[in-house]
Amino acid sequence: AQRVTQPEKLLSVFKGAPVELKCNYSYSGSPELFWYVQYSRQRLQLLLRHISRESIKGFTADLNKGETSFHLKKPFAQEEDSAMYYCALKASYNTDKLIFGTGTRLQVFP
Amino acid sequence: SAVISQKPSRDICQRGTSLTIQCQVDSQVTMMFWYRQQPGQSLTLIATANQGSEATYESGFVIDKFPISRPNLTFSTLTVSNMSPEDSSIYLCIVGGRGLDTEAFFGQGTRLTVV
Repeated sequence: AQRVTQPEKLLSVFKGAPVELKCNYSYSGSPELFWYVQYSRQRLQLLLRHISRESIKGFTADLNKGETSFHLKKPFAQEEDSAMYYCALKASYNTDKLIFGTGTRLQVFP
Repeated sequence: SAVISQKPSRDICQRGTSLTIQCQVDSQVTMMFWYRQQPGQSLTLIATANQGSEATYESGFVIDKFPISRPNLTFSTLTVSNMSPEDSSIYLCIVGGRGLDTEAFFGQGTRLTVV
């Protein structure tokens, strides 16, 4: 079964500390992975996608097929990074539906 | 990109009644989905809204409970029928294009409370 697991509901760090939000997936094929973010009082929006291999707002995520992981990392957290982060998997050309993890709330303290 | 207007943003409803949620997109989109997020849970796909044909429902969701319409490529509705307190949830419209790497766009969600 296709599944996305985010083991941490809440991650709290101080400003300037490194951040790693964990995401593991279960899928036998070659999935496409995404990180979506929801800032306070805003709707969900794309943060980054695996296929682009880009860094957005200092965040990066590397797909590790051996460990079936797509952890989100940032070397120095900022207060404005405080938000809800969702890892998502798109598993099929035919359906285009997204499978979401349960989300991790990141709190960055000053 | 796509801008989505989802209405209502929240509602409190009596059990046994029905609520229809609207999703309006500012451009034609290929894929429209309806998700539910129960408290403390992940976003769970209810169904894919298909233009001009019946929606495709996920396991555990049925048309009688969650009828969906999609008359064109910019608009869809989800009805939550014969509501019970267990239907209290956030309902979310998500749109996107075909292809593995296409971005999804989100409505602001409808927070439903059934009393």
